[in-house]
Amino acid sequence: SQKIEQNSEALNIQEGKTATLTCNYTNYSPAYLQWYRQDPGRGPVFLLLIRENEKEKRKERLKVTFDTTLKQSLFHITASQPADSATYLCALGPGGYNKLIFGAGTRLAVHP
Amino acid sequence: EAQVTQNPRYLITVTGKKLTVTCSQNMNHEYMSWYRQDPGLGLRQIYYSMNVEVTDKGDVPEGYKVSRKEKRNFPLILESPSPNQTSLYFCASSSSGGTGELFFGEGSRLTVL
Repeated sequence: SQKIEQNSEALNIQEGKTATLTCNYTNYSPAYLQWYRQDPGRGPVFLLLIRENEKEKRKERLKVTFDTTLKQSLFHITASQPADSATYLCALGPGGYNKLIFGAGTRLAVHP
Repeated sequence: EAQVTQNPRYLITVTGKKLTVTCSQNMNHEYMSWYRQDPGLGLRQIYYSMNVEVTDKGDVPEGYKVSRKEKRNFPLILESPSPNQTSLYFCASSSSGGTGELFFGEGSRLTVL
């Protein structure tokens, strides 16, 4: 069955540094990949979508890469701020399924 | 303001007592879905609806029912809740089917004793 892996350990970084989160997948051929942000006790909020034919996508301080050979996406936040502290979820779709498949998420903590 | 509204946000109930979690969206989206989120397991789809009167099972439908009589509403029904249904539930909607950008509600934390 399809499997999505995000680092279960929290990522702790210093303010101003670049945070890099990883999303790996197996047994799946997604046409695109999405990243969501989730704050404690809140619903996920859509951030970015990258398609399989796009190597890189940017939005303000966010950058996402998508390597279909490595079956991996990297999510970067440059010049990180404490307000960026949250859990970040990757989601893959459709890959033959009529739904998104979500990873469990990685918690990011940015320290002043 | 575009939003997905769930109620109740918090609920403690006992085994076997039927309950309904309501979900309403004001974006005229055709697609709606329910997820549960458990630690370490990510979001798992319970049921989804492609349009009015069209619903289908997701990955973990056992113990749940849904209905879609109106486009804006998609209630989740637990006929006989059990402790293993203690979880955080999210309703979501999309204008792009099940694989486009999802708009999530604020979540409903359910505890079944």
